[in-house]
Amino acid sequence: GESVGLHLPTLSVQEGDNSIINCAYSNSASDYFIWYKQESGKGPQFIIDIRSNMDKRQGQRVTVLLNKTVKHLSLQIAATQPGDSAVYFCAEEAADSSYKLIFGSGTRLLVRP
Amino acid sequence: EAQVTQNPRYLITVTGKKLTVTCSQNMNHEYMSWYRQDPGLGLRQIYYSMNVEVTDKGDVPEGYKVSRKEKRNFPLILESPSPNQTSLYFCASSPGTGPYEQYFGPGTRLTVT
Repeated sequence: GESVGLHLPTLSVQEGDNSIINCAYSNSASDYFIWYKQESGKGPQFIIDIRSNMDKRQGQRVTVLLNKTVKHLSLQIAATQPGDSAVYFCAEEAADSSYKLIFGSGTRLLVRP
Repeated sequence: EAQVTQNPRYLITVTGKKLTVTCSQNMNHEYMSWYRQDPGLGLRQIYYSMNVEVTDKGDVPEGYKVSRKEKRNFPLILESPSPNQTSLYFCASSPGTGPYEQYFGPGTRLTVT
């Protein structure tokens, strides 16, 4: 079945280092991918998105890379801060409808002081 | 303040007792959606609505109903709750007609005994 998976369930980084969170997706026809951040006790918060006609998109301290050849998505966070500690989810358009999103199970990012 | 609100935030109920979780957004958004979040499974989409009176099933619609009579409100109805519907529920809305850059509510923790 369709799935969006993650390589590492937990990532621990030193404050100030760069973080890379990876995600594998299965729908090769998906046109849209998105990253969300979820802090403890809160709803997910939009970080950045990318369409399939792009390989890279940058935001403030974050970059999303899309490799359609191997169906891989990554989120890079520059100069990781304690406030970046959260669970990060990738999501993609569902194969049967562009109105639906399929989420991965999440990666927990821990920032060490 | 632009936001998505959900009520109640916490609910404990018994099997078979009908309940409604309300969701309201004040951003005049077209698209709204409901998700459930379970440990290890990430977020799974229950239902979504592209506009008033237009709704469709997500990946896990069984046991749920929704309605979209007004643009701002998108209630989730459990006609006969069962223990397997114990979960954390999130409502979300998006300014476009699809699930792009969704704003999530704070969540409703539901326990069905």
